[in-house]
Amino acid sequence: QSALTQSPSASGSPGQSVTISCIGTSSDVGDYNYVSWYQQHPGKAPKLMIYEVTKRPSGVPDRFSGSRSGNTASLTVSGLQAEDEADYYCSSYADSNNLVFGGGTKLTVL
Amino acid sequence: EVQLVESGGEVVQPGESVRLSCAASGFSFSSYSMNWVRQAPGKGLEWVSYISSGSGSIYYADSVKGRFTVSRDNAKSSLYLQMSSLRDEDTAVYYCARPYCSGGSCYSRSAFDIWGQGTVVTVSS
Repeated sequence: QSALTQSPSASGSPGQSVTISCIGTSSDVGDYNYVSWYQQHPGKAPKLMIYEVTKRPSGVPDRFSGSRSGNTASLTVSGLQAEDEADYYCSSYADSNNLVFGGGTKLTVL
Repeated sequence: EVQLVESGGEVVQPGESVRLSCAASGFSFSSYSMNWVRQAPGKGLEWVSYISSGSGSIYYADSVKGRFTVSRDNAKSSLYLQMSSLRDEDTAVYYCARPYCSGGSCYSRSAFDIWGQGTVVTVSS
């Protein structure tokens, strides 16, 4: 099972919005409503930000939103704040009882 | 406090074995499936293995199938990963992760909200 494809980097100024994409296939992102997004700060464990494509766990700010079109999932961070600077990973349930992650996107707040 | 604490990471040579442990506290461990996820130095996350709450269903990533064995002891609230025939590419931080549950549903195979701090396995000659 191949990893999902993410751009290595993204950036935006405080207050702006930025969208991170996650490209999969019809065997994962395009076929299951089980796409999640994680935020990871250096040296820390990942934090769940989005599950089931669009849903936010309690405690996650509504500045974070998820969507999907075909085989591509997206995470949008609105009203960028300095603390949003981190690595972001998408994941998707996939055929044959697999779970695949993206390679990660480093978000820089300028 | 809900907590997962991994242990057992060490430096080993290629071909050797290591057993990782994950101690759970603050929740009913026996009610949850569990996963192992790893992260090579400077790299992304990679799912490794899944075990259901009662150990009836177990899955592995192709990259570790036949070499790694996941198990659990619900009486001890502990999860294990027996790693054998280790390769250089198995060098990573290994995390245990609990699925997110909300509104009566648990996203056992897709979303993890509780993670340990990770334990480091280094495979090097």
